[in-house]
Amino acid sequence: QKEVEQNSGPLSVPEGAIASLNCTYSDRGSQSFFWYRQYSGKSPELIMFIYSNGDKEDGRFTAQLNKASQYVSLLIRDSQPSDSATYLCAVNEGGGSQGNLIFGKGTKLSVKP
Amino acid sequence: DTGVSQDPRHKITKRGQNVTFRCDPISEHNRLYWYRQTLGQGPEFLTYFQNEAQLEKSRLLSDRFSAERPKGSFSTLEIQRTEQGDSAMYLCASSLGQGALTEAFFGQGTRLTVV
Repeated sequence: QKEVEQNSGPLSVPEGAIASLNCTYSDRGSQSFFWYRQYSGKSPELIMFIYSNGDKEDGRFTAQLNKASQYVSLLIRDSQPSDSATYLCAVNEGGGSQGNLIFGKGTKLSVKP
Repeated sequence: DTGVSQDPRHKITKRGQNVTFRCDPISEHNRLYWYRQTLGQGPEFLTYFQNEAQLEKSRLLSDRFSAERPKGSFSTLEIQRTEQGDSAMYLCASSLGQGALTEAFFGQGTRLTVV
């Protein structure tokens, strides 16, 4: 069974701090890695994707990928109360058509003013 | 609005009834996915299409579920003889590309309640 594991949280950080969200995956054949943000009662919104080892920065967000360790993370700098949401890690399923995305259960982030 | 569109947004049905949901992907996106999400869980893969071909279907998917994408544009998901356990948010997503390196964007979902 291919799995994506996330700490369910809740993760609580003060406003302005760095929030660090982590994800591990079991399928060594996976090639693409995504972070989605989901507000309560809403659908997931794509915020970052990363395909190569290393760091990828987009504004306040940095995604980090280490394929050898099967680990992907998301850093949110200068956290704002509006960042409070559940963050879903998704990984493509290696093999076959590679189109299927496997999601973790999500980490709930709370940013306190 | 050029995003993924799902209809209806909410559906309440009695157990045993059939329901059908529609998804209109982002224009020109060749891939379309269906997921199901229950409270506290991540989205669970149901099936996906590349153009009109259904390439993968979850082994967990009951025979009561069927999906179509007849012309490679919009898609429908039908659930026959609904059960209370089918109550969930049904999410559609679309993407452009082939292989693994393609980003998927979600619609707003259809929330199904089976009573």
